[in-house]
Amino acid sequence: AQKVTQAQTEISVVEKEDVTLDCVYETRDTTYYLFWYKQPPSGELVFLIRRNSFDEQNEISGRYSWNFQKSTSSFNFTITASQVVDSAVYFCARDSGAGSYQLTFGKGTKLSVIP
Amino acid sequence: DAGVIQSPRHEVTEMGQEVTLRCKPISGHNSLFWYRQTMMRGLELLIYFNNNVPIDDSGMPEDRFSAKMPNASFSTLKIQPSEPRDSAVYFCASSFIGQGYEQYFGPGTRLTVT
Repeated sequence: AQKVTQAQTEISVVEKEDVTLDCVYETRDTTYYLFWYKQPPSGELVFLIRRNSFDEQNEISGRYSWNFQKSTSSFNFTITASQVVDSAVYFCARDSGAGSYQLTFGKGTKLSVIP
Repeated sequence: DAGVIQSPRHEVTEMGQEVTLRCKPISGHNSLFWYRQTMMRGLELLIYFNNNVPIDDSGMPEDRFSAKMPNASFSTLKIQPSEPRDSAVYFCASSFIGQGYEQYFGPGTRLTVT
């Protein structure tokens, strides 16, 4: 499986600050998918976004935005004007490559938004 | 539409007992995945099925673990006999391969083996 690295283990920000969560992935494929998931304290894993390697446009959804840079194999996630409800562990993932249907997850970044 | 349904949500059992975890995937999805999450090891894929057929069970820790998918709407993960080190949160996820790979997760089963 091709590796996904989330170098930030834990981040703390004060409410209303912007925060960027980093994700770097390995790739030996020309076609692949990237994902972000959110795991709030309640424990469920919530799918946030899927990105196809052919589509390098950045995406914005409300306060969330994603920056996909193939040149640096990065798929970073920015939360603008963070809120306490954003406190969660965020996982970056990619398909495992070679036509596998599996996902390879990073170790996750724990975000704490302090009121 | 209903999401992925898992039962039970919590299970406390004694070492040596058999444990069966259940999962109902999202209707129409053709792939199902079982994961285990612990603080030490993070999120681990145990096994996945495509069209009810097990494709990769290399993540199953040992012979005490078994999984079945008798039909498109039901899967079980069984641990027999259970051990304290099996304590974890077990997630089931489903996806529709062919329209992207995103997996939708159930709420998880928190297993405690004493």
